[in-house]
Amino acid sequence: GQQLNQSPQSMFIQEGEDVSMNCTSSSIFNTWLWYKQDPGEGPVLLIALYKAGELTSNGRLTAQFGITRKDSFLNISASIPSDVGIYFCAGENTGNQFYFGTGTSLTVIP
Amino acid sequence: DAGVTQSPTHLIKTRGQQVTLRCSPKSGHDTVSWYQQALGQGPQFIFQYYEEEERQRGNFPDRFSGHQFPNYSSELNVNALLLGDSALYLCASSFAELYNEQFFGPGTRLTVL
Repeated sequence: GQQLNQSPQSMFIQEGEDVSMNCTSSSIFNTWLWYKQDPGEGPVLLIALYKAGELTSNGRLTAQFGITRKDSFLNISASIPSDVGIYFCAGENTGNQFYFGTGTSLTVIP
Repeated sequence: DAGVTQSPTHLIKTRGQQVTLRCSPKSGHDTVSWYQQALGQGPQFIFQYYEEEERQRGNFPDRFSGHQFPNYSSELNVNALLLGDSALYLCASSFAELYNEQFFGPGTRLTVL
């Protein structure tokens, strides 16, 4: 199946710092999505991107759909303790199938 | 407005047994997808149901089967369980026309001994 690689694998940052993570694929996707998963819960959709080059914000979160359609990044500004969790990227192709990345674990130190 | 619900929360089975997991979609949603999430990994797409039909399937063997009922709820069945089937099974629902915007349930933790 499709392989989506996320980096970094984990991050430890101070509260108030900005965070940047990205996702790359060997295949082209029509849609990129970013999710956050807390322990014991299912992923929650943060941002959906539908066009190459698209830049979308949701509060302190900003994500971009790469021009090549093979990558995406997520930025979190002014991190707070509740940002802790695992962030997943996901790509969707023409087959209505969704492929998830390997995840970036974020720890925010107060 | 209830979100996606799944039952049971946890389940322990032995190799060779069969299991059925259940999912009720978010109110108004007509499309249900199932995912398998191994420990430390991202979710892997199993299949998607719409109008009681399997619309799309990921790279999973035929031991994994599903069903969608007229009220849009869904079941995931796994036969001849293997140790490697131990995982968190997630259900996600959406509107058919907005299938990209999926809402996930809390999952069922399956342990195969």
